[in-house]
Amino acid sequence: ETGVTQTPRHLVMGMTNKKSLKCEQHLGHNAMYWYKQSAKKPLELMFVYSLEERVENNSVPSRFSPECPNSSHLFLHLHTLQPEDSALYLCASSQEITTGTRSYEQYFGPGTRLTVT
Amino acid sequence: KNQVEQSPQSLIILEGKNCTLQCNYTVSPFSNLRWYKQDTGRGPVSLTIMTFSENTKSNGRYTATLDADTKQSSLHITASQLSDSASYICVVSGISGGYNKLIFGAGTRLAVHP
Repeated sequence: ETGVTQTPRHLVMGMTNKKSLKCEQHLGHNAMYWYKQSAKKPLELMFVYSLEERVENNSVPSRFSPECPNSSHLFLHLHTLQPEDSALYLCASSQEITTGTRSYEQYFGPGTRLTVT
Repeated sequence: KNQVEQSPQSLIILEGKNCTLQCNYTVSPFSNLRWYKQDTGRGPVSLTIMTFSENTKSNGRYTATLDADTKQSSLHITASQLSDSASYICVVSGISGGYNKLIFGAGTRLAVHP
């Protein structure tokens, strides 16, 4: 195991539902990330948090709302999603966010398989 | 535009055979290149990482090569095992806006058959 856990592992929700994805890292890292992985497409970075502060939002629709209450936990709140939002949502953490020429290894959780009906 | 292209998209080989996966990138400036293995239903796990000054790195039966001049990398798997069945993702780290950004390839899906 990588030290990053995600719940639930599978989620089916209707377009009018509200649900939340949870990520927890046990590595003592300061940076956390949300990625979206659609079939046959590269991972898409959604949000980056450093020490509980959002440092990047890659033009993600407002129906996705992240929350980082502390450096060990990251949530993704979902509401009024569309069928095209069905994907694998991956959480990752790293010691720090990568700056300048220093690149830190990212450790990924197992993902939440989301299906929007 | 920063891009990472992988080939082939999918590959089937017999157990015990070798294979090579390709990665071409246009990321500039370049910081490092990683290969990840992603088992079905799991998150990616790092196999190797190389900076521009390294041209080969091994991790057991996995050997990655890097040609920073031609912006190409390959992942060679020797004596494949059934457990090698997975997606292999090439990830290039480039410097943008003052910090490193990871650019992901779409992956190569490898199936090893008995």
